[in-house]
Amino acid sequence: ETGVTQTPRHLVMGMTNKKSLKCEQHLGHNAMYWYKQSAKKPLELMFVYNFKEQTENNSVPSRFSPECPNSSHLFLHLHTLQPEDSALYLCASSQGGGEHQPQHFGDGTRLSIL
Amino acid sequence: AQKVTQAQTEISVVEKEDVTLDCVYETRDTTYYLFWYKQPPSGELVFLIRRNSFDEQNEISGRYSWNFQKSTSSFNFTITASQVVDSAVYFCALSEDNYGQNFVFGPGTRLSVLP
Repeated sequence: ETGVTQTPRHLVMGMTNKKSLKCEQHLGHNAMYWYKQSAKKPLELMFVYNFKEQTENNSVPSRFSPECPNSSHLFLHLHTLQPEDSALYLCASSQGGGEHQPQHFGDGTRLSIL
Repeated sequence: AQKVTQAQTEISVVEKEDVTLDCVYETRDTTYYLFWYKQPPSGELVFLIRRNSFDEQNEISGRYSWNFQKSTSSFNFTITASQVVDSAVYFCALSEDNYGQNFVFGPGTRLSVLP
């Protein structure tokens, strides 16, 4: 069983909907991440949070809005998405602290935009 | 800029064959870390190994072995006596920033092990 849990596993939404992806880690880590994995494209880092503070935003469109209320929970709020946003969204966590620790991933949420 | 290349998009082998997955990286830093991850059909990326740039010793873990060569900027992964359960997409990744969090992943190699 993974130490990083993502819900929902699958999500289908229209372009005008608002939805949120949830990630929870049970590993006692301090850093959490959102990645986007599209077909035939490398894994793209979207956001990084360290101790609840956002430290990285890789030029992600504002229709994606992350929220990190505490070190164990991470959300990705979705609003007015486009068809090209259909992808697998992966959450990860790591110990952080500048030690290049391996990231531990959840199973992902497969998002389809109609 | 950092970049990771995995030239093999897909590989198919028959069970019990050995297979090597290639990874070539680019970085200007002298301190960096390299990783391999496995992504089975379930979607979760599973961490396999972390190697820092100062440790060029090859590593073996069961049927898995890794060959790190700084001279050719390569970090290749070999599976010995492959099994059907090894079928997955394998990603090589590079981390070089101070926080060690900005991973750059290669495009992945899809390995199919046939019975």
